[in-house]
Amino acid sequence: AAGVIQSPRHLIKEKRETATLKCYPIPRHDTVYWYQQGPGQDPQFLISFYEKMQSDKGSIPDRFSAQQFSDYHSELNMSSLELGDSALYFCASSRSGQGQSGYTFGSGTRLTVV
Amino acid sequence: RKEVEQDPGPFNVPEGATVAFNCTYSNSASQSFFWYRQDCRKEPKLLMSVYSSGNEDGRFTAQLNRASQYISLLIRDSKLSDSATYLCVVTLDNNAGNMLTFGGGTRLMVKP
Repeated sequence: AAGVIQSPRHLIKEKRETATLKCYPIPRHDTVYWYQQGPGQDPQFLISFYEKMQSDKGSIPDRFSAQQFSDYHSELNMSSLELGDSALYFCASSRSGQGQSGYTFGSGTRLTVV
Repeated sequence: RKEVEQDPGPFNVPEGATVAFNCTYSNSASQSFFWYRQDCRKEPKLLMSVYSSGNEDGRFTAQLNRASQYISLLIRDSKLSDSATYLCVVTLDNNAGNMLTFGGGTRLMVKP
């Protein structure tokens, strides 16, 4: 079965550079969530989109922005990168109205800022 | 104080042991509850949803106590492959757009 696809798997950037992470949800899933997981931390919610509109906002820095496109894929844009942005970034998708089926996570993008 | 609290462990148990994890949540409006499993450097994967009546899936049993805002996970007959971090997760409701709130995770190490 198709899963949540994230690209790239690994990314190395220098401080003050920009990065774009991509997420392709499971087909027919209409909601996308972005999470950031630092070393030894639990995943922290950044932002979510439902039907291409932002639906919830968590601890996402102003330097970051995201959007969901007409094909439901989502991109997380990160600018003025800082060392502390080094983390695993997970995307998850779900389909509204499916009951307590939970969410499916992608394999993540490991961002290293040097 | 975190919205979802878990004992971080680690729990070191021998194969075949029974181990229980507990979790408390602070938002009484929370509606959906899950246990996720996360292996090192991998994505969280849904282990099981947690229902008010309690539910079982093989060696795993989950319980929910809404009055006490408490969730538990029981693993019987532990296997080496059960070694992972177990994340307690809640959400306000299961409608679109509601994010998961994670506990800090409980690390389990099953030893031969």
